Amino acid sequence: QVQLLQWGAGLLKPSETLSLTCAVHGGSFSGNYWTWIRQPPGKGLEWIGEISQRRGTKYNVSLRSRVTISGDTSKNLFSLKMTSVTAADRAVYYCARCLSGRTSHYCDSWGQGTLVTVSS
Amino acid sequence: QSVLTQPPSASGTPGQRVTISCSASSSNIGSNTVNWYQQLPGRAPKLLMYSNNQRPSGVPGRFSGSKSGTSASLAISGLQSEDEADYYCAAWDDSLNGYVFGTGTRITVL
Repeated sequence: QVQLLQWGAGLLKPSETLSLTCAVHGGSFSGNYWTWIRQPPGKGLEWIGEISQRRGTKYNVSLRSRVTISGDTSKNLFSLKMTSVTAADRAVYYCARCLSGRTSHYCDSWGQGTLVTVSS
Repeated sequence: QSVLTQPPSASGTPGQRVTISCSASSSNIGSNTVNWYQQLPGRAPKLLMYSNNQRPSGVPGRFSGSKSGTSASLAISGLQSEDEADYYCAAWDDSLNGYVFGTGTRITVL
């Protein structure tokens, strides 16, 4: 069973860059889709993007200009950077391992979540 | 914003059957399989159902899923107090080229 452990700064000022990292334990980096998802307090889930060896990176169109997802296969880590954060980016950020087939795509392992607050 | 529409809430008494609907479009549920996630209060989401009707190991058999056209549903038979949570449907969207979630449904056990 894959386990994901995430960390990163939880308090940012407006215009700063959000940076989170997720460590993968017990699973191979290849063949999987390493994903970031966020959830504003009291609201629903929003897919941010993913990275995989098969198809590189994909991003939510609404966030694409500010987001970069990268991976380090030698350390079994993947990371999220989001520039120019505002109060609207306040959310719990989750990393996840997702699997994908021809018509299927689902996330079966999730990190513990990191609350990121943006405040001056 | 979510492109998959769910009712905001549903409720039932212990032992009852509750159903949650997920309405979408041809570019997501119409073309790809649907998944369901359960989120207990204060916890990370958990995969509850994948590929329309497949239960991951450890998910009780009282949970079942189905899909027809551009709609899907999750049913909970024999509702239990520990089922009180938020439930989200999700699917890959070919037009957006990304993963989309439903608006979420809160299940309350009366």
